[in-house]
Amino acid sequence: DAKTTQPPSMDCAEGRAANLPCNHSTISGNEYVYWYRQIHSQGPQYIIHGLKNNETNEMASLIITEDRKSSTLILPHATLRDTAVYYCIVRDTGNQFYFGTGTSLTVIP
Amino acid sequence: EAGVVQSPRYKIIEKKQPVAFWCNPISGHNTLYWYLQNLGQGPELLIRYENEEAVDDSQLPKDRFSAERLKGVDSTLKIQPAELGDSAVYLCASSLETGGQYFGPGTRLTVL
Repeated sequence: DAKTTQPPSMDCAEGRAANLPCNHSTISGNEYVYWYRQIHSQGPQYIIHGLKNNETNEMASLIITEDRKSSTLILPHATLRDTAVYYCIVRDTGNQFYFGTGTSLTVIP
Repeated sequence: EAGVVQSPRYKIIEKKQPVAFWCNPISGHNTLYWYLQNLGQGPELLIRYENEEAVDDSQLPKDRFSAERLKGVDSTLKIQPAELGDSAVYLCASSLETGGQYFGPGTRLTVL
């Protein structure tokens, strides 16, 4: 069962920041939050992950609340190629990933 | 570095026929996963291997599905016989013992 809740869809204007929220209120202290995205007809692609601290890489930033019950993935300057389904996943101690239905992000020109 | 390789990319078969999917994980990744993804849904785990041992196959429909990972590297997922409801994308992923999973492109199965 998915351990996360995400809005089913979002739009973002090209060049603007895309902020994708995720609730994971039942997360345990040693469970990581992972974000993946899936472009049509491709396998899911790793974006970023974190435990407690905020994280940033070349693709995105991950903001995790202090109580760890929610997080936000930030794509700082969305492009048309960022149109995809974004999955927020809690990885349990057995390295199991539970995908929900994700957020379908559409970047609008 | 090569990613996870899957073949075939597409397969169309008639119901009751057998079908097999092949996966070659990233070199050095001891953990291998098979997922099923239905249209509009996220991937669902079918089976997970640690080296050659299946450590979680609780979601694998064992009456018609089987999998193997001989020598702890490549893996094959088989369906026999296929049913109409098996039409889906079958994804393979690999990882080190802990950490992110890297996915292949998937095999899109259509059962007619």
